[in-house]
Amino acid sequence: DIQLTQSPSFLSASVGDRVTITCRASQGISSYLAWYQQKPGKAPKLLIYAASTLQSGVPSRFSGSGSGTEFTLTISSLQPEDFATYYCQQLNSYPITFGQGTRLEIK
Amino acid sequence: EVQLVESGGGLVQPGGSLRLSCAASGFTFSSYWMSWVRQAPGKGLEWVANIKQDGSEKYYVDSVKGRFTISRDNAKNSLYLQMNSLRAEDTAVYYCARGGRGIAAVHFDYWGQGTLVTVSS
Repeated sequence: DIQLTQSPSFLSASVGDRVTITCRASQGISSYLAWYQQKPGKAPKLLIYAASTLQSGVPSRFSGSGSGTEFTLTISSLQPEDFATYYCQQLNSYPITFGQGTRLEIK
Repeated sequence: EVQLVESGGGLVQPGGSLRLSCAASGFTFSSYWMSWVRQAPGKGLEWVANIKQDGSEKYYVDSVKGRFTISRDNAKNSLYLQMNSLRAEDTAVYYCARGGRGIAAVHFDYWGQGTLVTVSS
């Protein structure tokens, strides 16, 4: 199975900050990586797919990059509504796996 | 508007069975891969199963193989998850999610609101 390791697991930041979350795969997954945002009590929301393609309707302050084994999600200027938990997901091979999550909280 | 509405969750004893349903609307259901993803209380996301557009391919996470069965009825725009031999560790919110239209599974662009399954005596 492909393991995805997100870092950091917890991040404290302020409105307006630029933040980056990293997702490392235990083996190469090309660009078959997606990023999701989840708020408490809600379903996950797709942000980025194919490592760097912004899902329709997602603000442009979100961006993704990487290929192979290392990927990043960047939020260029944090807004109050961005405080949530973020997950990466690989779809290169079965079983489909998710990272453990990065919880982003207000400093 | 794409909508996915899960139902069928509840409290069940260890060893029991439950069937989850997901009613889809707002898109051509028969054109998409569909998936079940679960989330144990306070934990992360875990993919459970995928099914191809025509039901000809199904994939499962190892922990549910032989106990869970994913199926679909394209005439009823519905996705199902039959869960047998339930264990305490199956306790989670179960989400249905829409995959892609191609020959392989891709990202999940729409999710339901989830249905809670609690396995306890």
